[in-house]
Amino acid sequence: DIQMTQSPSSLSASVGDRVTITCRASQSINNYLNWYQQKPGKAPKILIYAASSLQSGVPSRFSGSGSGTDFTLTISSLQPEDFATYYCQQSYTTPLTFGGGTKVEIK
Amino acid sequence: QVQLQESGPGLVKPSQTLSLTCTVSGGSISSGTYYWSWIRQPAGKGLEWIGRISNSGSTNYNPSLKSRITISVDTSKNQFSLKLSSVTAADTAVYYCARRLCGGGSCYYDYWGQGTLVTVSS
Repeated sequence: DIQMTQSPSSLSASVGDRVTITCRASQSINNYLNWYQQKPGKAPKILIYAASSLQSGVPSRFSGSGSGTDFTLTISSLQPEDFATYYCQQSYTTPLTFGGGTKVEIK
Repeated sequence: QVQLQESGPGLVKPSQTLSLTCTVSGGSISSGTYYWSWIRQPAGKGLEWIGRISNSGSTNYNPSLKSRITISVDTSKNQFSLKLSSVTAADTAVYYCARRLCGGGSCYYDYWGQGTLVTVSS
């Protein structure tokens, strides 16, 4: 199985901050990397697919980059509604696997 | 607007079989080249991919669960289902159904059910 490692596991930030979350794959997955946002009690929501493509309707403050084994999700200016847990997921091969999550909390 | 809704017992006894159904509305499960998937999340933990099925019945399962899983599709009812046998407390989780879409060079889950909590306990 491809292991997906996210860092940090949690972070505290203020509204307006720039936030960066990283995801590392245990082997190359080209750009088959997706990012999801999950709020408490809700299903995950797709933000970024194919490492850097913004899903329709997702604010442009979210961006993704990377290829191969190292990927980044950036929130350019954190908004109150962005406090949530973020997961990366590889779609390169089955079994599909997710990172352990990064919880973004209010400072 | 496509919607997915999980249904099934919220409590299952150890060693028994967990059975869940996902009903798809707002679109036909037979149309397109989607895969229909099950994903679970233990309380306070991360997401685990269980498996998926195409509208033609082709399946892929997580090897860690493969011996216990059956995923099936009923196109006449616009539903797909999960059966997980010989459950233990470790199978307690919120179970999500989701639709996999492929486009723009990748495949990802664009629609999810709200999730249903299944507790394994005697």
